[in-house]
This record gives sequence, structure tokens and C-alpha cells, in this order.
Amino acid sequence: GAGVSQSPRYKVAKRGQDVALRCDPISGHVSLFWYQQALGQGPEFLTYFQNEAQLDKSGLPSDRFFAERPEGSVSTLKIQRTQQEDSAVYLCASSIQGADGYTFGSGTRLTVV
Amino acid sequence: ELKVEQNPLFLSMQEGKNYTIYCNYSTTSDRLYWYRQDPGKSLESLFVLLSNGAVKQEGRLMASLDTKARLSTLHITAAVHDLSATYFCAVDGVWSGGGADGLTFGKGTHLIIQP
Repeated sequence: GAGVSQSPRYKVAKRGQDVALRCDPISGHVSLFWYQQALGQGPEFLTYFQNEAQLDKSGLPSDRFFAERPEGSVSTLKIQRTQQEDSAVYLCASSIQGADGYTFGSGTRLTVV
Repeated sequence: ELKVEQNPLFLSMQEGKNYTIYCNYSTTSDRLYWYRQDPGKSLESLFVLLSNGAVKQEGRLMASLDTKARLSTLHITAAVHDLSATYFCAVDGVWSGGGADGLTFGKGTHLIIQP
């Protein structure tokens, strides 16, 4: 596609509910990143894929967070048993490996009530 | 651990004035990005600075990189209201001594330009 597509755009979850956030990167982009942006803060790195391989998950805040990219294109970030502190915007970015920049999606705003 | 600090974090200025946003980072890196974010929107890439001494300009914005000082600046010339937004600098961890993956962002500079 023309850009990085994320869905849903907004998600309201009750505390304890599981959620799944989807990222569809630009076609041909090898690298895919997930970031978490709390209100009024800069984005913070969560995890990184190169094709289908998850090479770095050091930023995932707890074992309730899980990401996958099984076929090396679409990625899903899953949060189990959501907590209020999980409320944030989740941004996905993709890039051609070694290229000069990253393209960000519009993000998913997650609100846990 | 790679750390990125921006200042100021908040800036209110009048149209027509000049100002500079500063971005310091803690480890060596040859790749630095500037992004703009409007309220409720995603990140828009402004500049990619790839080497020491790099300078890029687009309209009223100019960015520079000094890798020896670990400093980048974003200069605004004759500000206009449309430039009101939050500006982030980000260091590419792959290109830093820390070897981290992905971008490490500053906290952002919230810029308001008063007509």
C-alpha cells in the first residue's frame, strides 16, 4: 500500500480484556517496529521485526504484551489482561532495511477503562 | 543506554520570530531524525541527518547535526502559526554505539506560535 496502515484507529477496552492491534506495513519493507506513546511523551520502542523474525523485544513492558509477524508482512500486537497503564497510542513503523527513514502509521489509541 | 534530551520542552513564540530547539544525545550516532506531530496525528518525517556537519533546510525549518558534540538543532526562521506542533528528535539506535534497535526519541518540544 501507499503507507503504513493500522487498525483499529481507536479501541476502548475494559480492564482485564485482551486486545489485538494490527499493522500493515508498506509492501516490501523488511523492518517493522512497534512503539508506545503515552500522553504528552515521546514514542518508546517496544519491539522490532526483520521479516518474520522478532529480533528485539526488549521494550515490551511485561509478559502481557506479545507481538508477531508470521509471514513477514502484517504484524499484530496483542495485549492480554489490559491494565489502565496500558492506555496509550501504539504506533507502528516500517522501513526498507538500511534505508534513510521510517514511515509511521496513524497509530491505535487504546483506552483502558 | 542511549538517552535523548530535548530543550525546551515547551515554547510559546510570536509569529515572525526566530528560535532554536536543541537535541542532545548520550552516545555516538551518525543518524538523527526530526519529526513533527500534530495533535491526535502520527509522526511526520521532517529531516534525516546522516553525517557530521549535515545541514538540511525545508521552508522555514533548518536542521543540523554535530556528531562530535552529540547535538542537533532545529532552527525556525520567521515563525508562522502553521508551524505550531510538537517536534521530536530521534536517534537511530542501530547507528549508535549502544547498538539498540529502532529509534530513541526525546520527550518532544511543544511549540505554540501566536499570531
